[in-house]
Amino acid sequence: EAQVTQNPRYLITVTGKKLTVTCSQNMNHEYMSWYRQDPGLGLRQIYYSMNVEVTDKGDVPEGYKVSRKEKRNFPLILESPSPNQTSLYFCASQTSGPYNEQFFGPGTRLTVL
Amino acid sequence: TQLLEQSPQFLSIQEGENLTVYCNSSSVFSSLQWYRQEPGEGPVLLVTVVTGGEVKKLKRLTFQFGDARKDSSLHITAAQPGDTGLYLCAGVIAGGTSYGKLTFGQGTILTVHP
Repeated sequence: EAQVTQNPRYLITVTGKKLTVTCSQNMNHEYMSWYRQDPGLGLRQIYYSMNVEVTDKGDVPEGYKVSRKEKRNFPLILESPSPNQTSLYFCASQTSGPYNEQFFGPGTRLTVL
Repeated sequence: TQLLEQSPQFLSIQEGENLTVYCNSSSVFSSLQWYRQEPGEGPVLLVTVVTGGEVKKLKRLTFQFGDARKDSSLHITAAQPGDTGLYLCAGVIAGGTSYGKLTFGQGTILTVHP
């Protein structure tokens, strides 16, 4: 089954404690993205990757890091989480043009105390 | 400034009613998609339109892409409680980034009461 998986689904942590949210896709897509979803602000792109070892900032990259060492995996790293990073996070992989269709993971609800 | 304006933001209707959600922009899009998201889950792709004036149907859902590729609409006929969810439009701006970055609308929260 074609899918995007994320772990963990729920995470409660404290300010400053480094964490990683994993993301994996089995569709052999080159493009992957991370989004955060907040009430009233919609989906905002954090980082994206066009291929292995190629990553770039999205609209709200501050406080986040990513890596793309393998095509299927695209982890999101919060080196020093802060309460304003409490949010619902989605990883997505994307087909190439012209359709550019995104397939989303189930989401990770992060709470930073 | 929101590149993709969705309206209405909230919609509460009775089962059996019809509804239309709009997605508008001043930008031209090379492709536009509609997603549906249920609580606790990620958005799920419903449809992609790429040709100006294109109309696609998915059971009781009808999607239309404007002739100028700047707007789109989602019409649901005889809404059912199972249609309840967040509906998102998203598009790739024509002539934008090479990899096809999606711009999302704010979403429409639809509630269909039995």
